[in-house]
Amino acid sequence: EVQLVESGGVVVQPGGSLRLSCAASGFTFDDYAMHWVRQAPGKGLEWVSLISWDGGSTYYADSVKGRFTISRDNSKNSLYLQMNSLRAEDTALYYCAKDNGGDCYFDYWGQGTLVTVSS
Amino acid sequence: DIVMTQSPDSLAVSLGERATINCKSSQSVLYSSNNKNYLAWYQQKPGQPPKLLIYWASTRESGVPDRFSGSGSGTDFTLTISSLQAEDVAVYYCQQYYSTRALTFGGGTKVEIK
Repeated sequence: EVQLVESGGVVVQPGGSLRLSCAASGFTFDDYAMHWVRQAPGKGLEWVSLISWDGGSTYYADSVKGRFTISRDNSKNSLYLQMNSLRAEDTALYYCAKDNGGDCYFDYWGQGTLVTVSS
Repeated sequence: DIVMTQSPDSLAVSLGERATINCKSSQSVLYSSNNKNYLAWYQQKPGQPPKLLIYWASTRESGVPDRFSGSGSGTDFTLTISSLQAEDVAVYYCQQYYSTRALTFGGGTKVEIK
C-alpha cells in the first residue's frame, strides 16, 4: 500500500524558513518523480514543485521560484521542501504527491502538513 | 501558463440524478503526436486529500465507480456523474499536465445534494 506522510508544518513568522519532509513507502521510491502541491485554507489546489526520480531535474511554480527548493534522498525514501523567505500567502496545507510514472498527474497523495506564516 | 476554468463553481443535484462539471483550458492540451489529452480529474472530500478519478481525459483510475466518466478534447472537457450518490459530495478539480513545467488546476466545483 502506497503511503506518503508529510511532516514539518508549523507556525512561522514572515521572512522565516522551514523544511517540510515526506516519508514514502509501499512503492519503489526512486522509480518515480514526486511533487509538492498546496492548498490555502478554503481555497483550491496549487502545484508547487516537481523533482525527477533522480533529483536531476526540478521545476517550480512562479509563485515560489527562488524561495523554495525541492530535494529528495532516495536512500531514505524521502522528499523535502526547503521554504525560505516565507510570506503570508504561503500559508497552506502542503501535500506530497506521487507522480503517475512520467506524465505528471498525481496518483497518490499524503494527508498534508499545515504551514502557517504569521507574526 | 495554461489557465484552467471550471464551471459551475457549485451545483446541487438530487440523489440519482446526473451531475455535469465543465473544464476549459486556455490552450489545447491535446498532444498531436499521440492524440492524447493531458487532462486529469480529482475528487476531494471534506478533510481529505484529493483522489485521482480520471486521467487522459477519459480513463478511469482503478477502483473508481463507472458512474464517473470523463469526456472532451482539445480545450473543453466534462466530468459526468451519471447517478449521484451521497458519497459523491465533494469538490472536483481538473488538472492539465500538458505543460509539465507549469502544472495547473481548475478552481474547483463543489457538488452537493439537492
